Amino acid sequence: QQPVQSPQAVILREGEDAVINCSSSKALYSVHWYRQKHGEAPVFLMILLKGGEQKGHDKISASFNEKKQQSSLYLTASQLSYSGTYFCGTEGRSSSNTGKLIFGQGTTLQVKP
Amino acid sequence: DAGVIQSPRHEVTEMGQEVTLRCKPISGHNSLFWYRQTMMRGLELLIYFNNNVPIDDSGMPEDRFSAKMPNASFSTLKIQPSEPRDSAVYFCASSFPQGNTEAFFGQGTRLTVV
Repeated sequence: QQPVQSPQAVILREGEDAVINCSSSKALYSVHWYRQKHGEAPVFLMILLKGGEQKGHDKISASFNEKKQQSSLYLTASQLSYSGTYFCGTEGRSSSNTGKLIFGQGTTLQVKP
Repeated sequence: DAGVIQSPRHEVTEMGQEVTLRCKPISGHNSLFWYRQTMMRGLELLIYFNNNVPIDDSGMPEDRFSAKMPNASFSTLKIQPSEPRDSAVYFCASSFPQGNTEAFFGQGTRLTVV
């Protein structure tokens, strides 16, 4: 089943923060986050593997609550370059360690000056 | 490494014609994935291979779609006959077979069926 992302779209001013959520109805082995700019390929941001794990990448970080089957992506002090569509990709326990990802519908983030 | 290479970048074809999309994964990657992206359905996994063997093709929409991976450095996705609803961007991605590694996407093939 496809994970559900929220919100569908966010508009920010430079310097503001945002949170993007990803929720699955299935038990998860891992959550992957990607960003896609218009007309380009998705680009990897980070992977979260363990329950409660939190990772950071510059001013972008994420958490993974294995029990709740949820992950959140945190963007702090947003920059214009953060604009794009963010996808979470989930790997279920039944297909763990295969790399098979099911992607959410995406969250479009627009950062304005 | 040049990354995942897809060809063609753009394809416009008439309904009923056969379309073949090509992908060269990153050298050393054992897993290869074909995705389709549309506004309505987002990024859908069509099929994936591990060591050139198709592992899961449950996402292939119908019999008109077929995929092959004759060797570790080449894969094709074929649509025959093509229909207007097949219009989408088709991405190929590759990774190491373990699940805790990133997938690298090609630049995609934008297919338009008229």
